[in-house]
Amino acid sequence: EPEVTQTPSHQVTQMGQEVILRCVPISNHLYFYWYRQILGQKVEFLVSFYNNEISEKSEIFDDQFSVERPDGSNFTLKIRSTKLEDSAMYFCASSEVGQIEQYFGPGTRLTVT
Amino acid sequence: AQSVTQLDSHVSVSEGTPVLLRCNYSSSYSPSLFWYVQHPNKGLQLLLKYTSAATLVKGINGFEAEFKKSETSFHLTKPSAHMSDAAEYFCVVISGTYKYIFGTGTRLKVLA
Repeated sequence: EPEVTQTPSHQVTQMGQEVILRCVPISNHLYFYWYRQILGQKVEFLVSFYNNEISEKSEIFDDQFSVERPDGSNFTLKIRSTKLEDSAMYFCASSEVGQIEQYFGPGTRLTVT
Repeated sequence: AQSVTQLDSHVSVSEGTPVLLRCNYSSSYSPSLFWYVQHPNKGLQLLLKYTSAATLVKGINGFEAEFKKSETSFHLTKPSAHMSDAAEYFCVVISGTYKYIFGTGTRLKVLA
């Protein structure tokens, strides 16, 4: 069964550094999403992406965040200058056009020290 | 605004007994609702979805959920728990186009 994959599974970085989290969505899906879950808190929506542009973004998704589909298979989340409060599990998801169910990857645990 | 409330953060059941995980929703229109499960070190897996068709929705692994508009509830049930059901379960509502709003999660423990 096709799956969403994410790399790395765990990333440790120092405050102020840039990180790129990578996702490979399911191949025929055209909608892509990022969510995050800070330890002990809810899973929160960050951004949705379709047709090479952001469809919707949350208040969390400020100027230090960006998303990109650099090629036909990858979808990335970049955090320009990480803060301690960016430490969280980041989930990528994808969905087909016209379908509301989203398929999630296993997550990348980001630790900012 | 759309929201969901999961009423229990932890639920423990004995193997072979029924499971009930509770979720209440708040929505200004007919919602689309989901239950997802997360096993340790795995992604979120879709269990079932409700999209205003039948109010009783059957999902994978013997789970089902009933949409009750009068109670604004979408509780998840299973007649007989299995050890492999131990996981965290999330109730989700769609807001806007495709944005998911998650509940806080319920951790299910299954006792032998």
